[in-house]
Parts: sequence; C-alpha cells; structure tokens
Amino acid sequence: DGGITQSPKYLFRKEGQNVTLSCEQNLNHDAMYWYRQDPGQGLRLIYYSQIVNDFQKGDIAEGYSVSREKKESFPLTVTSAQKNPTAFYLCASSTLAGLNEQFFGPGTRLTVL
Amino acid sequence: GEDVEQSLFLSVREGDSSVINCTYTDSSSTYLYWYKQEPGAGLQLLTYIFSNMDMKQDQRLTVLLNKKDKHLSLRIADTQTGDSAIYFCAESDPGTASKLTFGTGTRLQVTL
Repeated sequence: DGGITQSPKYLFRKEGQNVTLSCEQNLNHDAMYWYRQDPGQGLRLIYYSQIVNDFQKGDIAEGYSVSREKKESFPLTVTSAQKNPTAFYLCASSTLAGLNEQFFGPGTRLTVL
Repeated sequence: GEDVEQSLFLSVREGDSSVINCTYTDSSSTYLYWYKQEPGAGLQLLTYIFSNMDMKQDQRLTVLLNKKDKHLSLRIADTQTGDSAIYFCAESDPGTASKLTFGTGTRLQVTL
C-alpha cells in the first residue's frame, strides 16, 4: 500500500535533548513538508523540500533542522534551541504539478518534560 | 505569509446542514482546498475548487467561492456524527509550486 508513515506515534523527551522524528513515503512524490499543529493555531509550516538534497525554511524554522538525502525520507530534528517543542507534528508529501494534493502521515505527538 | 482565517468551533444537530467559512488573502491562488482531520490523525483532502469556479458540488459537499470578497465556504448537507472533525481550508501559493497555507481549522461538533 502506498502512503506516508511517521514514527513514533508518541514521543517523550527531557528538556535540552535533541530528538529526530521520522517521515517516510512510498508515493514517489518529489515534495515533502513538516508542519507543527497547536490548538487554535492550525498548521504552521516548519520546512519543506521539493527535491533531494535541497530544502527551504517555512514560517517557523527556528529550533528545527531537516535533511533530504533520499526521495523517500525527510527526517525532522527538534533541537534544544526550540523554546516550546511540545506539539503535534505532521509530515506530508505531494507532487509538483497539477492539483498538488498533499498527503499526510498520521502524526507524531512530542511531549518535552 | 498570508493569513487564512476560520472560526474555531461549530456545533450542529445531526441531519442539519453545516456551513464552515474561510477568508483568504491571496487572490492569485490557483486552487483552494478543504481538508478534514479526524481526532489524533493526519489530514485528508475532502474537496477542492479551482479559482476560476464559483461553485463545486460533490455528493453532500458544496463549495462556494467568492473571489471578490476572498471568501470560501464548505456546506455539508445532512450532517452525520461521522462528520465530527476539524476542517481546514487551504490556499495554494502561486509563487512556490505545491506549497499551501492552511487556516486555523474549524472544529465541527455534531450532536444527536
């Protein structure tokens, strides 16, 4: 089955630790995205990538880093510099033509203690 | 970036119609979208409308687009308990292929 997977579903970390969230897709999509979701604020774009080995900052990139070494994978690292990292993180992918429908993974809920 | 605004909450009775509203700011967006998010899950595309259309109907869903007022609405006819979810409108970014700007989301609660 084609789709996007994110792991883990729930993640707990101590303050000051870096943590990496996984996102994998087998849809052969060129573009991938990371969003952060907080109650009442909708989805805010952290980073996106339209091609392997290239990515751009979104609206709230500070305290986060990404890599795109393979087309299928777009991991997100939440660094200790992110002041308020507890949130629901969503990964998505899309083609670069036509409707550009974004397909979403199930999300990772990160809690920093 | 652009701001896409929605009211946060809507409550309707089962069987009634629901209307979820959205205002957007970029008049050059090619597509406008409605996504649905079930509790604790990712988003799924519900429907979309091309910017040169005024209305699109898809079974129980009707999308209306008023480009002059930059207003988008989603009407759900005969609302069911399974329609309870958060609904996001989104607009495409004309400057960056595939990038979307999402609204704040409207939580729809369907009561018996």
